[in-house]
Amino acid sequence: GENVEQHPSTLSVQEGDSAVIKCTYSDSASNYFPWYKQELGKRPQLIIDIRSNVGEKKDQRIAVTLNKTAKHFSLHITETQPEDSAVYFCASKLHSGGSNYKLTFGKGTLLTVNP
Amino acid sequence: DGGITQSPKYLFRKEGQNVTLSCEQNLNHDAMYWYRQDPGQGLRLIYYSQIVNDFQKGDIAEGYSVSREKKESFPLTVTSAQKNPTAFYLCASSTGGKSSGANVLTFGAGSRLTVL
Repeated sequence: GENVEQHPSTLSVQEGDSAVIKCTYSDSASNYFPWYKQELGKRPQLIIDIRSNVGEKKDQRIAVTLNKTAKHFSLHITETQPEDSAVYFCASKLHSGGSNYKLTFGKGTLLTVNP
Repeated sequence: DGGITQSPKYLFRKEGQNVTLSCEQNLNHDAMYWYRQDPGQGLRLIYYSQIVNDFQKGDIAEGYSVSREKKESFPLTVTSAQKNPTAFYLCASSTGGKSSGANVLTFGAGSRLTVL
């Protein structure tokens, strides 16, 4: 099955700095890579995603890059703010047979933005 | 509250007892999922269902069971066979299908199960 590795497990930055979280996946057939943000005590929510036919996608201060050859993708947050503090999860989607698809998540990165 | 409701929010169980967690969605989503969240372990898939009356085992299905008799409901039973059931359980749904947008997950608020 698919395996998703996420690094680092914790990341602390100063407000205004950039943060980068990296993930690798094992199955080259994976074709969709979302990122979820989970604030303390809240449910995970999608913040950005990318398909395998695209190399980069941006949404304001957030960007995701994908390297299919190396099977890794990264989340970039620029000009970090205290409200960016949360746990971030990467995931990959894989066809699991018939009409079934499933998302496999990484273990998460706790990002702390210090004022 | 986001269209997907989990209950109860907190649940305590004695060892050897089965317990059922409820998950209901009013989003008209075809696909529903159960994830288990443990500190440092991320979100691990227990079971998922792409359509009514059909479901598939995820990565950690042992000791769990599900049913999908209605489109809007996907209850999870934690059986006494689950060796370490204390965890935070998240239910999610999506429109389902092959396109990337169809797999955007909407999560419930979660249920925290504690085995005494």
